[in-house]
Amino acid sequence: NAGVTQTPKFRILKIGQSMTLQCTQDMNHNYMYWYRQDPGMGLKLIYYSVGAGITDKGEVPNGYNVSRSTTEDFPLRLELAAPSQTSVYFCASSPQAGEYEQYFGPGTRLTVT
Amino acid sequence: GNSVTQMEGPVTLSEEAFLTINCTYTATGYPSLFWYVQYPGEGLQLLLKATKADDKGSNKGFEATYRKETTSFHLEKGSVQVSDSAVYFCALRYSSASKIIFGSGTRLSIRP
Repeated sequence: NAGVTQTPKFRILKIGQSMTLQCTQDMNHNYMYWYRQDPGMGLKLIYYSVGAGITDKGEVPNGYNVSRSTTEDFPLRLELAAPSQTSVYFCASSPQAGEYEQYFGPGTRLTVT
Repeated sequence: GNSVTQMEGPVTLSEEAFLTINCTYTATGYPSLFWYVQYPGEGLQLLLKATKADDKGSNKGFEATYRKETTSFHLEKGSVQVSDSAVYFCALRYSSASKIIFGSGTRLSIRP
């Protein structure tokens, strides 16, 4: 099992550019999440999904979009990159709610200049 | 609302010292409680968990006991190592909840 994989590992964007952060899990988990972690800070939830075709906003959704067409994939789209989106982005998955933990990917470090 | 409060860091200890990182929560009902660890440059990984009152989670020498009467889940280790240097996150999740509520994290540094 690869677990949760994220690509790319690093990316530098210019202001106004767009990109998609990829996230794939091979554990057949229903729940998937996107977080951002600013330097020295905790996690903030951007979007999450409880199954294919279902997505919902987290704490900080502005400037991002997601889709969930399959159980495995949960890409995060940045349409017009801004310096405030410089952060490390983590994708996570979980089989169910309740006592089940989340499994995290290794992260994508994004810099917007 | 539901929340998790952790002791502020950074915490700096010498190798072989005793570690306690405090975590308290505000919640109704009976959530599951977790400790996650984030090593430098990596994603979070589960360290231990407890799913009901008085349960003790343990892993890699770390322990935490689910105390409902004090709404706490303090992380302890008897003798820390340099390799324990990381950021530790306390978290809770309800049985019906999609989301996990994370604390703000505590950075731990261990001196040789």
